[in-house]
Amino acid sequence: AIQMTQSPSSLSASVGDRVTITCRASQDIRNDLGWYQQKSGKAPNLLIYTTSKLQNGVPSRFSGSGSGTEFTLTITGLQPEDFATYYCLQDYNRPKTFGQGTKVEIK
Amino acid sequence: QLQLQESGPGLVRPSETLSLTCTVSGGSIRSSSHYWAWIRQSPEKGLEWIGTIYFTGTTYYNPSLRVTISIDTSTNQFSLKLTSVTAADTALYYCARERAGAIEYWGQGTLVTVSS
Repeated sequence: AIQMTQSPSSLSASVGDRVTITCRASQDIRNDLGWYQQKSGKAPNLLIYTTSKLQNGVPSRFSGSGSGTEFTLTITGLQPEDFATYYCLQDYNRPKTFGQGTKVEIK
Repeated sequence: QLQLQESGPGLVRPSETLSLTCTVSGGSIRSSSHYWAWIRQSPEKGLEWIGTIYFTGTTYYNPSLRVTISIDTSTNQFSLKLTSVTAADTALYYCARERAGAIEYWGQGTLVTVSS
């Protein structure tokens, strides 16, 4: 199975900050990567698919980039509602595999 | 608005079979554009993709798990069976709808504990 490694595992940031989360794949996954946000007690919520496509209804402060084995989720202008845990998911082949998560906390 | 709801026992004995059902409402499970998935989450393993099924019955499984997924288009439900469970199978189990490139709808999740 493809291994997905996220970094950092946690970070502290302030409202208005620019935040970057990285996900690395153990092999080339082209652009078959998505990002999910999970708030406490809730199911994950799709933010971005196919590396950079914003899901309907997701604010434009979220963006994704990358290809091959390295991918990035950027939040430009962090808002209070963005404090959550973020996961990447490779959709290149099955079994689909998630990163271990990045918890974004309030500084 | 599509909704998915998991149901099943919250407690399963070790070595027995875990069985869960997902009921889909607000849309047809016979969609040609989507797959129906099971995903679980635990503190030890994080988010783990279990497997997926198409309305025709085509399945894809995580080879590390002892799992069977079935679908009933007449009731708009799909189901999960995980055999010979151990404490390591204790997790929050989600059902979800997949489309190409994304898992776009999730159930609220159901906690299953494996314990004697």
